[in-house]
Amino acid sequence: DAGVIQSPRHEVTEMGQEVTLRCKPISGHDYLFWYRQTMMRGLELLIYFNNNVPIDDSGMPEDRFSAKMPNASFSTLKIQPSEPRDSAVYFCASSRDGQGVPYEQYFGPGTRLTVT
Amino acid sequence: AQTVTQSQPEMSVQEAETVTLSCTYDTSESDYYLFWYKQPPSRQMILVIRQEAYKQQNATENRFSVNFQKAAKSFSLKISDSQLGDAAMYFCAYRSAWGSNYKLTFGKGTLLTVNP
Repeated sequence: DAGVIQSPRHEVTEMGQEVTLRCKPISGHDYLFWYRQTMMRGLELLIYFNNNVPIDDSGMPEDRFSAKMPNASFSTLKIQPSEPRDSAVYFCASSRDGQGVPYEQYFGPGTRLTVT
Repeated sequence: AQTVTQSQPEMSVQEAETVTLSCTYDTSESDYYLFWYKQPPSRQMILVIRQEAYKQQNATENRFSVNFQKAAKSFSLKISDSQLGDAAMYFCAYRSAWGSNYKLTFGKGTLLTVNP
């Protein structure tokens, strides 16, 4: 099993540019999560999907952020336009369904985004 | 909303000694799950141990064990026989057991240093 795959691992961009982060979850997992990690705010959930449908996007900071999951094996997190305060490590995680069972969320290696 | 508090930003331990990391949480729910995740310098988030709130018995995984005090809303992690590879940031996390709410709420983390 290749685990959760994220690309790119590092991204440096200028303020105002569009940034697209990509994630491939573990095959067979029904849930996909996007987290953001910063020194100030720690790890926070941005949005999560179940069977490709967004379930909770209350953590998405503002309209500049959007996430899609067109199929079970691919998701994107887009920031347009990017700002310096978006600089952070963005994690994707996936999990399988488990009613009443706390199945583990498997995290990808993260994308370190720097907006200058 | 649930909150998770880790009151120790940094801890250190001598190799082969035992260390305890603290975590408290606030919730009005009676059923939930608690987790400890480890994040080494590689940035990868790794599940260390999990606890179901309805279980009175404390979870144990090899050298890692928890002290779960439901009434006090406390969930500490004990690492026995500490090894150099245990050096990492440790995050406590909460997940509701209700419905399909799979959101993880994380504490700010404790940086553990292991001294040879």
